[in-house]
Amino acid sequence: TQLLEQSPQFLSIQEGENLTVYCNSSSVFSSLQWYRQEPGEGPVLLVTVVTGGEVKKLKRLTFQFGDARKDSSLHITAAQPGDTGLYLCAGARTNAGKSTFGDGTTLTVKP
Amino acid sequence: DSGVTQTPKHLITATGQRVTLRCSPRSGDLSVYWYQQSLDQGLQFLIQYYNGEERAKGNILERFSAQQFPDLHSELNLSSLELGDSALYFCASSVSYRAGNTIYFGEGSWLTVV
Repeated sequence: TQLLEQSPQFLSIQEGENLTVYCNSSSVFSSLQWYRQEPGEGPVLLVTVVTGGEVKKLKRLTFQFGDARKDSSLHITAAQPGDTGLYLCAGARTNAGKSTFGDGTTLTVKP
Repeated sequence: DSGVTQTPKHLITATGQRVTLRCSPRSGDLSVYWYQQSLDQGLQFLIQYYNGEERAKGNILERFSAQQFPDLHSELNLSSLELGDSALYFCASSVSYRAGNTIYFGEGSWLTVV
C-alpha cells in the first residue's frame, strides 16, 4: 500500500493552461515536500510545508498543505514547457523520521 | 549542480556480479541517503546514514549494503545482482537527519544488469 498517493499519474497540457496535481494520504505528516525531477537528473526540492492550511507560492506555483496535514496540492498557473517534469511529493510522519515519496505526477507541457 | 557527487554515472554488469556505487555529499552535510528509482517502483528509500552511523533503513535488500566513512562519503554495495536490480540509484544529502530538511540529490547512477 502506497503511503502517499499522487494524482493524476500523467498529465499532458498545452502551454498557458492551469493545472493542479494532488498528493493524498490517510496518514498525518509533520512536514511535506514537493520536488521536481527532470529526465537524467535527481529530484530538486521546490517547497516544504509544515503547518496545516499553509499556502506557499513560488512564482507561478502555489502549494497548499491540507488543514489536517494529510494531503497537499500543487497548482501551476499558465504552465510553460519548462515546467515539464516529474513532480514528487514526500512526507515525513515525525520530525526525526525519514521522508516517504509518492510515485509522482509526470507533467508534459506542450508549446 | 546540487553539490552531491555520484560515481559512476552509468554501469552495465552481468547477473550475479557485485558493484559499488559511490557518493560524496554536499560540503557540510552529515546525513546521506540512498534511493532506488525504477519505472514500476517509483523512488524507494533504501537507507540513511548520519555522521557515520546508520540512521534509518527502508526497503533495502539483504544483498545490498551501505556504509558512510569518517570523511562522510558513502558507498552502496550491490551483490548477487539480478535483472530486477536495474534502476537509477540516487544518493542524497542533508545537513541533519531531521525531516523537513532540504535534501539535495545527486544525478544518480544508472545501473543496468544484463
